[in-house]
Amino acid sequence: QVQLVESGGGVVQPGRSPRLSCAASGFTFSSYAIHWVRQAPGKGLEWVAIISYDGNNKYYADSVQGRFNISRDNSKNTVYLQMNGLRADDTAVYYCARDRATGTHFLLFGMDVWGQGTTVTVSS
Amino acid sequence: QSALTQPASVSGSPGQSITISCTGTRSDVGGYNYVSWYQQHPGKAPKLMIFHVSNRPSGVSNRFSGSKSDNTASLTISGLQAGDEADYYCSSFTTSSTRVFGTGTKVTVL
Repeated sequence: QVQLVESGGGVVQPGRSPRLSCAASGFTFSSYAIHWVRQAPGKGLEWVAIISYDGNNKYYADSVQGRFNISRDNSKNTVYLQMNGLRADDTAVYYCARDRATGTHFLLFGMDVWGQGTTVTVSS
Repeated sequence: QSALTQPASVSGSPGQSITISCTGTRSDVGGYNYVSWYQQHPGKAPKLMIFHVSNRPSGVSNRFSGSKSDNTASLTISGLQAGDEADYYCSSFTTSSTRVFGTGTKVTVL
């Protein structure tokens, strides 16, 4: 079945640089853009970043621009989120989600498949 | 990239209709018909309910409908059911080629 599975979360010290992974299965991964969305404890959803189907286009929220880097390996059906210089306010559940559109119309259609999330806790 | 504004909570009795508003600016909601809505039950991942302001993905009940006027989008749930009790978030495309979510609305079925 169509599925996204996140991994790489855990307790991380401030300033550290963990990498999250999002493994896809059940669909033609290389045709879809992938988003990262996070949710701090007890708070709302926050869009973090997107990478286009071919990896050539990447966009970030202001809150992570310059600190986080999104990438993908279509041969491994996996998207990554490299998080640098973590701060306490980066503590959240991080979800990866598939953009509903294939090809070049990403960002416009919403996110139709979501992973279960991986929790990142920034604490010393 | 300020979050879109939603009411913190909306409630209704079973069978009633409720409407959740989502207010942004001309740089997001008002500038594009690219508003989507998500339902999130506690401890679960969000679920896409509406895309492109008023379109339902396959499998979403027709009790859910969306609309937009100027800078405000709305989600209406008709025939309210106990299973509709959840948090709801709007989201819009922005002029910066990003997405922004709303502040979220907790729907309570009385």
